[in-house]
Amino acid sequence: DVKVTQSSRYLVKRTGEKVFLECVQDMDHENMFWYRQDPGLGLRLIYFSYDVKMKEKGDIPEGYSVSREKKERFSLILESASTNQTSMYLCASSLFGDGEQYFGPGTRLTVT
Amino acid sequence: DAKTTQPTSMDCAEGRAANLPCNHSTISGNEYVYWYRQIHSQGPQYIIHGLKNNETNEMASLIITEDRKSSTLILPHATLRDTAVYYCIVRETSGSRLTFGEGTQLTVNP
Repeated sequence: DVKVTQSSRYLVKRTGEKVFLECVQDMDHENMFWYRQDPGLGLRLIYFSYDVKMKEKGDIPEGYSVSREKKERFSLILESASTNQTSMYLCASSLFGDGEQYFGPGTRLTVT
Repeated sequence: DAKTTQPTSMDCAEGRAANLPCNHSTISGNEYVYWYRQIHSQGPQYIIHGLKNNETNEMASLIITEDRKSSTLILPHATLRDTAVYYCIVRETSGSRLTFGEGTQLTVNP
């Protein structure tokens, strides 16, 4: 079974803190994705990556950056957390060119 | 990618078939129809996808109309565990991005 794990299930941070959300997949997938999910807005793509050290902006990249130093790991970074980044963050992976994405359980981030 | 339209919510009795419709009237020839679901407090889960022909797997069946402008996801014997938000997504054959809409909240009642 494909497994996508995220470093934390729940996280509380203060405004202005630097926040790292980690995602690891164990199926040697080329693609990895970061989404956020908010009530009434659905899932929105923040960043994605097709390969190591490669990244592409999604629909809402502002305020976020990403890092992919190893194929299995994709990190989402909030350089200076703000309250409007309080959300559920979901990581996913897939084979290159494949629409079958495997999602992690999500990290519910609260910024106070 | 083509836009999809789904009902906001649907109800189904346990043990009965759940038929979830999706309209994608602007779909183009190289776009697939994907279905995912999201059970409360979990990440989305892939269900099935198709291009032109009907598809079936252990979870569901996908019926795509001949003109490909709409499709129906069928859960043949719905259980309480099938209560979830179901997303219909149209995706190009190239690239791996998915655009999730609001989906349909399916509630299976005992």
